[in-house]
Amino acid sequence: DAGITQSPRYKITETGRQVTLMCHQTWSHSYMFWYRQDLGHGLRLIYYSAAADITDKGEVPDGYVVSRSKTENFPLTLESATRSQTSVYFCASKGLPGDTQYFGPGTRLTVL
Amino acid sequence: EDKVVQSPLSLVVHEGDTVTLNCSYEVTNFRSLLWYKQEKKAPTFLFMLTSSGIEKKSGRLSSILDKKELFSILNITATQTGDSAVYLCAVEGMDRGSTLGRLYFGRGTQLTVWP
Repeated sequence: DAGITQSPRYKITETGRQVTLMCHQTWSHSYMFWYRQDLGHGLRLIYYSAAADITDKGEVPDGYVVSRSKTENFPLTLESATRSQTSVYFCASKGLPGDTQYFGPGTRLTVL
Repeated sequence: EDKVVQSPLSLVVHEGDTVTLNCSYEVTNFRSLLWYKQEKKAPTFLFMLTSSGIEKKSGRLSSILDKKELFSILNITATQTGDSAVYLCAVEGMDRGSTLGRLYFGRGTQLTVWP
């Protein structure tokens, strides 16, 4: 089914573990984004990518790593999860600089 | 520092009322302003505004941008219970030396419509 998907939809992990959140889009969009959404902060940009192998930091990149080896995938890795990384994570994509961003369904991550 | 401020943070109305949601911004190299609706899931796109004074309309929803005063409003007329959601305002700004615009989000307005 076309669109933007995220997996897993829900994840519980422990402090110190590595976690990877997956994002996949079938539109061949050049631009992809990772946000986290927390009460009191709204949506904040973690990392973004303009094309395969091109990534850059957003507002809150510390503790996260991204890669973009293929245009359609943009995984987000928490190398050593902390409780402060408990959040809902949204992936988004867009085709051209002037386009709107379309969001995936989100991943709810809980770090115990 | 860039920021997007929405008001009010929450609003409770009865069906049939008209509401106005506000969004003010201070973003470097403004490119566009977007409104999203979020109902306990992913934000869904409503409007993109790039020019001042031109109203965008979709059914009972409309929005307008004032680039001189740096704000936008989202109007919803004849509200229905299905309009209950968080409405997010986002502003796309361009970083210096970059061709990619970044979205800066406000905290949202929680709208509750009672039957």
